[in-house]
Amino acid sequence: KQEVTQIPAALSVPEGENLVLNCSFTDSAIYNLQWFRQDPGKGLTSLLLIQSSQREQTSGRLNASLDKSSGRSTLYIAASQPGDSATYLCAAFMDSNYQLIWGAGTKLIIKP
Amino acid sequence: SQTIHQWPATLVQPVGSPLSLECTVEGTSNPNLYWYRQAAGRGLQLLFYSVGIGQISSEVPQNLSASRPQDRQFILSSKKLLLSDSGFYLCAWSAGHEQFFGPGTRLTVL
Repeated sequence: KQEVTQIPAALSVPEGENLVLNCSFTDSAIYNLQWFRQDPGKGLTSLLLIQSSQREQTSGRLNASLDKSSGRSTLYIAASQPGDSATYLCAAFMDSNYQLIWGAGTKLIIKP
Repeated sequence: SQTIHQWPATLVQPVGSPLSLECTVEGTSNPNLYWYRQAAGRGLQLLFYSVGIGQISSEVPQNLSASRPQDRQFILSSKKLLLSDSGFYLCAWSAGHEQFFGPGTRLTVL
């Protein structure tokens, strides 16, 4: 059974720092892995999607990596800004049942 | 471009009352549709998914039900709400291996 874990559960850093959010999964038979952002009381915004055959994806200040063999993905945020404050969720898409398996999220606070 | 709508945005209902949440998708045809619930401080829980009109798969036994009367319409219902039904309900669609989410409905059962 696939399990997705995100560490840390919460993170607070000063503005301008580079930071890394971690996501690990137990079953390497994933089709892709998605990173989402959720602002308080809002829906989910898709940030990056990495196919199982890819190693990384970049969008602006965000870079997501995927290492299937070790069951890990990271989301790198460069030059963090207060507007980056949100909860970040990762989810693994399982080809076996066409479902997303979710991590519990990392709550990120960027201090001005 | 595709858009997904949910309403209402917020809802406060007494225990034992019925529920109907609606989700519609525009700009795509024959999408897979999903209902998730997010309880406070917890991850997303898949409740139902649908691969076509009238086709509903339930992931978690509970007092909720789902229906898909039209290709791009997905409805979440309950005949009698419980306190434990409070949470943030999210609808999502996919046409492949990527899911896109609606703005969510905040349900409070008192």
